[in-house]
Amino acid sequence: DTGVSQDPRHKITKRGQNVTFRCDPISEHNRLYWYRQTLGQGPEFLTYFQNEAQLEKSRLLSNRFSAERPKGSFSTLEIQRTEQGDSAMYLCASSPRDPRGYEQYFGPGTRLTVT
Amino acid sequence: GQQLNQSPQSMFIQEGEDVSMNCTSSSIFNTWLWYKQDPGEGPVLLIALYKAGELTSNGRLTAQFGITRKDSFLNISASIPSDVGIYFCAGQNSGAGSYQLTFGKGTKLSVIP
Repeated sequence: DTGVSQDPRHKITKRGQNVTFRCDPISEHNRLYWYRQTLGQGPEFLTYFQNEAQLEKSRLLSNRFSAERPKGSFSTLEIQRTEQGDSAMYLCASSPRDPRGYEQYFGPGTRLTVT
Repeated sequence: GQQLNQSPQSMFIQEGEDVSMNCTSSSIFNTWLWYKQDPGEGPVLLIALYKAGELTSNGRLTAQFGITRKDSFLNISASIPSDVGIYFCAGQNSGAGSYQLTFGKGTKLSVIP
C-alpha cells in the first residue's frame, strides 16, 4: 500500500509533555498538509508545505505547535507543553502536482489523548 | 471565516434506498470535494469537482458542483451496508492562493439491512 502513512496511530501523554508525530506522504506528492479533527467535527486545517517550504499556517497553530518538512519528503508535527485541549485526531494529507493538486489524500491519523 | 453547512446531520435508510445530502457555503469555492470517513480512520476521497455545474459520478455516487459555486450535492444510489460512515464535503478557494480545505461537520449515514 503506497498511501499516506502516519506514526504513531495512538499517543497518550500527560499534560505538559512534548509529543512528535510523523507523516510520510504518497511518493512524488509535493504538497503535504496537517489537519486536526475533534469528535463530531470535520477536519480543521493547521498548515501545509509545498516541497520543504511551509506556505500557509492557520491561526489554530499556536506557538506550541511546530511543523517541519526538512527534505520535502516526510513531515513532523511537534506539540510542546501539551494541554488537555490538544486531545484530537491529527491528520496528514498529501496532494499531487497540478492539475490534480487540489485532491488531498489523507492518512489514517494519529489519535492524541492528553491526560 | 468561511463556513460550510452540511445537511442532514444524520440519516437512517433502508438498504437499497437512494441517499441525498448537500453542503452550502457562505462564500464561493473553486473546488468541492466529498470524503467518507470510517471510525478511527482518515477521510477517503470520493469525488472531486472543479467547475460550476459539473456533475461527476464514481460508481453509485454522483456529485454536483452548484452553479452559484456556494453549494454541492452528493447522491448515493442503491445503498448497501458498507456505505455506512460519515460523509464530509470540503471546499477550496484556490483563487485566494490557498490550498487549505474547509470541511463541513459531516452527515452520518446508517444503513439498515
